[in-house]
Amino acid sequence: AQRVTQPEKLLSVFKGAPVELKCNYSYSGSPELFWYVQYSRQRLQLLLRHISRESIKGFTADLNKGETSFHLKKPFAQEEDSAMYYCALSRSYNTDKLIFGTGTRLQVFP
Amino acid sequence: EAQVTQNPRYLITVTGKKLTVTCSQNMNHEYMSWYRQDPGLGLRQIYYSMNVEVTDKGDVPEGYKVSRKEKRNFPLILESPSPNQTSLYFCASSRATDYGYTFGSGTRLTVV
Repeated sequence: AQRVTQPEKLLSVFKGAPVELKCNYSYSGSPELFWYVQYSRQRLQLLLRHISRESIKGFTADLNKGETSFHLKKPFAQEEDSAMYYCALSRSYNTDKLIFGTGTRLQVFP
Repeated sequence: EAQVTQNPRYLITVTGKKLTVTCSQNMNHEYMSWYRQDPGLGLRQIYYSMNVEVTDKGDVPEGYKVSRKEKRNFPLILESPSPNQTSLYFCASSRATDYGYTFGSGTRLTVV
């Protein structure tokens, strides 16, 4: 069965510290993976797509098929990064089922 | 402005009274989807649609109906709401599976 696991419910760091939000997935095919962010009282926004290999707001994520992981990283956390982060997996062929992890709340202290 | 619009933002209703949450997108997206967000459970997909008149069940479709008669609209219908459907609902649209979704601002539904 397809599943997305975000093992940490809460991650607290100080401003300037490195951040790694963990995401592991289970899927037998070729997944499409995403990170979404939800700031307080705002709608979910797409942060990253693995297929584009981009860096957004200093965040990067690398797909590791061997470890079935898609961890989100940022070298120096900022207070405005405080938000809820969701990892999501989509099957790529003939369907639009998108499965979300349960989310990790990132708190960045000054 | 490109966006997904949901209405209403807040809704309190009684058990068994049929309701519809509307969703509209102005980006000519093929794909649309409904999610519910519950504490500790994250977002779970209710229904999705890959094109007009094409809909399919997500992970938690029980108690919900959808329709996609035109490309821009994807209403969520609760024929007989129950308290366990109290949740935060999000509509989303996408132009392709690998582009990611644009989300609406959410509808907070309370069923008493």
